[in-house]
Amino acid sequence: EAGVVQSPRYKIIEKKQPVAFWCNPISGHNTLYWYRQNLGQGPELLIRYENEEAVDDSQLPKDRFSAERLKGVDSTLKIQPAELGDSAVYLCASSHRDRVADTQYFGPGTRLTVL
Amino acid sequence: AQRVTQPEKLLSVFKGAPVELKCNYSYSGSPELFWYVQYSRQRLQLLLRHISRESIKGFTADLNKGETSFHLKKPFAQEEDSAMYYCALRRISGGYNKLIFGAGTRLAVHP
Repeated sequence: EAGVVQSPRYKIIEKKQPVAFWCNPISGHNTLYWYRQNLGQGPELLIRYENEEAVDDSQLPKDRFSAERLKGVDSTLKIQPAELGDSAVYLCASSHRDRVADTQYFGPGTRLTVL
Repeated sequence: AQRVTQPEKLLSVFKGAPVELKCNYSYSGSPELFWYVQYSRQRLQLLLRHISRESIKGFTADLNKGETSFHLKKPFAQEEDSAMYYCALRRISGGYNKLIFGAGTRLAVHP
């Protein structure tokens, strides 16, 4: 089992440029999460999908961030335009369902550096 | 507000010494607590959860609701335990749930 797949692993861009991250969850997992992890901090949830529906996007900065999960499988997180403060590791996770007993499995993350 | 506090950024011990990674939380309901671990160059993974009441890799953690703590313990540290450890709380809201992480503690076990 490959686990949660993310790409790219690293991305360096200049501020005001757009950037996109891609996530492929574990096969059969209905719930997908995007987290942001700032340096020296734990992950913070940005958005959670149940199948193709975004059920919790309260922490997503909607002025510049957008996400989609077409067909309820792969997901893309986009930032446009990027700011210096967006430098962080962006983690994708998935679980079978969004239930108490379900473990979240994390991907390797995408490290974004905004110059 | 829900919060998870890990007061130590770094815990440095020698091999064979006991280890205790501290975690305190604030939550008004009944929480579910977890410890996640991230070894060097590996992804974040679940170590243990309080409802399982199990020992994983020699680590245990007991939920103390009176002290609102969920400290991670191991009687004899090994070099391979060196990693980042994150305490997390699962909050159930509106029928769904989300994980709230602490800032993490780096455990360094020296030979």
